[in-house]
Amino acid sequence: AQKITQTQPGMFVQEKEAVTLDCTYDTSDPSYGLFWYKQPSSGEMIFLIYQGSYDQQNATEGRYSLNFQKARKSANLVISASQLGDSAMYFCAMRQGAQKLVFGQGTRLTINP
Amino acid sequence: NAGVMQNPRHLVRRRGQEARLRCSPMKGHSHVYWYRQLPEEGLKFMVYLQKENIIDESGMPKERFSAEFPKEGPSILRIQQVVRGDSAAYFCASSPRGLAGGPFTDTQYFGPGTRLTVL
Repeated sequence: AQKITQTQPGMFVQEKEAVTLDCTYDTSDPSYGLFWYKQPSSGEMIFLIYQGSYDQQNATEGRYSLNFQKARKSANLVISASQLGDSAMYFCAMRQGAQKLVFGQGTRLTINP
Repeated sequence: NAGVMQNPRHLVRRRGQEARLRCSPMKGHSHVYWYRQLPEEGLKFMVYLQKENIIDESGMPKERFSAEFPKEGPSILRIQQVVRGDSAAYFCASSPRGLAGGPFTDTQYFGPGTRLTVL
């Protein structure tokens, strides 16, 4: 079975610093997709970034980048120049089978002024 | 360019009542997924539907839960005879197509969720 592990329950970072949120995954499928979602206190799930297993380059979306290390089965999210509005829960997820997503337990990120 | 719509946003039911949660996918999306999130946990897959078809219901509890996505109208997640353990946030997501592929087809966009409280 596929599994996502996020080992950091909570992280505290100073504003303007970069932050790395860890995510490791386990799958036997050669083809898979990895996602990061942000869940602010208001509760909605916001898509941030996607990495395909065959993508040669790490995905980037503005201040978000995904550090994809296939051999180590890790897909860490890097947020550059953190802002107060980045405070939220962050979930790593993997596409399992045709379409359903498997989520990790999440990391609660707090940005301090 | 409306996103995924869910209603109601908050739903309170007493034990034994029925809960009906509605989801309208993004325009142009024909694939709908339902997930459940318990407090302080990640989302857990429940069911994947296309119009008039249930594709994968491996995450649905065997009893009391059902889902549909009719030809016309929103997708409905129905919970009969609710119990306190059903209290959770229920999220709906949609995607354009169901085939595995690149980010355009793979990405699921989520609605704001329905928070169900069972008294």
